[in-house]
Amino acid sequence: ILNVEQSPQSLHVQEGDSTNFTCSFPSSNFYALHWYRWETAKSPEALFVMTLNGDEKKKGRISATLNTKEGYSYLYIKGSQPEDSATYLCAPTLNYGGATNKLIFGTGTLLAVQP
Amino acid sequence: DGGITQSPKYLFRKEGQNVTLSCEQNLNHDAMYWYRQDPGQGLRLIYYSQIVNDFQKGDIAEGYSVSREKKESFPLTVTSAQKNPTAFYLCATLKQGASGYTFGSGTRLTVV
Repeated sequence: ILNVEQSPQSLHVQEGDSTNFTCSFPSSNFYALHWYRWETAKSPEALFVMTLNGDEKKKGRISATLNTKEGYSYLYIKGSQPEDSATYLCAPTLNYGGATNKLIFGTGTLLAVQP
Repeated sequence: DGGITQSPKYLFRKEGQNVTLSCEQNLNHDAMYWYRQDPGQGLRLIYYSQIVNDFQKGDIAEGYSVSREKKESFPLTVTSAQKNPTAFYLCATLKQGASGYTFGSGTRLTVV
């Protein structure tokens, strides 16, 4: 089982603060990197999928970058709001003999934004 | 509305009993997956199926069984051989060529 690490495990910030989290993953056989947001009592929601080294994606106040050579991705949230409170999961897919659809999930970063 | 239905939301069973968790989708997605979540751990893949009548073991398949007789349905049976069945179970689907999973809302199984 391959190791995907996310840090920090949890984060408490004030409304308006900007924040970022890290996802580290095996760089060999890399295919794609997914970010999900998982709010309590809801289903995980897809945020981004990135495939190319140097990719940057943005969705409102949330953005992500990807470094496939060193095996990491950053997720940034600018001006955090209480509704951003959720667990943020990253999940790479790796290419082993054509099987590229299995996501390997990290443990997630739990973000709590205080009003 | 298209989506994934997992039922029930909460399930209680006695130790030693088999139990089947339901996952139904009307998205017409090809692939379906079962994940398990335990406290302090990431989602771990139990089984997945990329087409009807075919499925593969994930990383923690022991003590579980699945079937994929219809495209819409991918039930997961937790057998008495599963040593620690109490967990949160998530079903997901993936459309061919799509960029990410669609998840159900999960079933929390408690074995007493």
